[in-house]
Amino acid sequence: QSALTQPPSASGSPGQSVTISCTGTTSDVGGYNYVSWYQQHPGKAPKLMICEVSKRPSGVPDRFSGSKSGNTASLTVSGLQAEDEADYYCFSYAGSDNWVFGGGTKLTVL
Amino acid sequence: EVQLVESGGGLVQPGGSLRLSCAASGFTISSYWMHWVRQAPGKGLVWVSRIKNDGSVTTYADSVKGRFTISRDNAKNTLYLQMNSLRVEDTAVYYCANSDWLDPWGQGTLVTVSS
Repeated sequence: QSALTQPPSASGSPGQSVTISCTGTTSDVGGYNYVSWYQQHPGKAPKLMICEVSKRPSGVPDRFSGSKSGNTASLTVSGLQAEDEADYYCFSYAGSDNWVFGGGTKLTVL
Repeated sequence: EVQLVESGGGLVQPGGSLRLSCAASGFTISSYWMHWVRQAPGKGLVWVSRIKNDGSVTTYADSVKGRFTISRDNAKNTLYLQMNSLRVEDTAVYYCANSDWLDPWGQGTLVTVSS
């Protein structure tokens, strides 16, 4: 159950777009469309932003989008806003009823 | 309002036990698989355990297998995590979350394992 690989940090200026990657293997990210993304502000519980690779739950701004290519899933935040500054985590089904998170990415809005 | 509220955390000595609860309101948990996730201080999220909606199937991360037990009481709309043989490295905020999309999450309960 090795953690999925995310860059430790990412950054962008207000209005810009930033993409966060989440790399796994054919046993997890590449093998299933059960990839989701979570936003976590300091001291707060995580919040679902994207499910099933690219589906956006009700209430999540359409500035947030998800995709997957091979063993790598991606979260793109367009039109960066100050309130997007947070930690972001990917999460994937890993087969045999196991699940795994990415290590997390700290997004800084410059 | 759809809400999950964890309780039961606290300070415990290594080798001790704790039972966490996760009470749901605003929806019925009996329709959903549910998960426990933990986060050590300053660290990332780690998946801990999952239970089928009727309680018949449970799975665990290798790090807690044989020590933790997930269960549920659908009549009480509550999820549980029994934690035995606790280790210092189990120190974390423990979150419950609804469904395989982990939505919503509770606010978390802090478990500190220390002598």
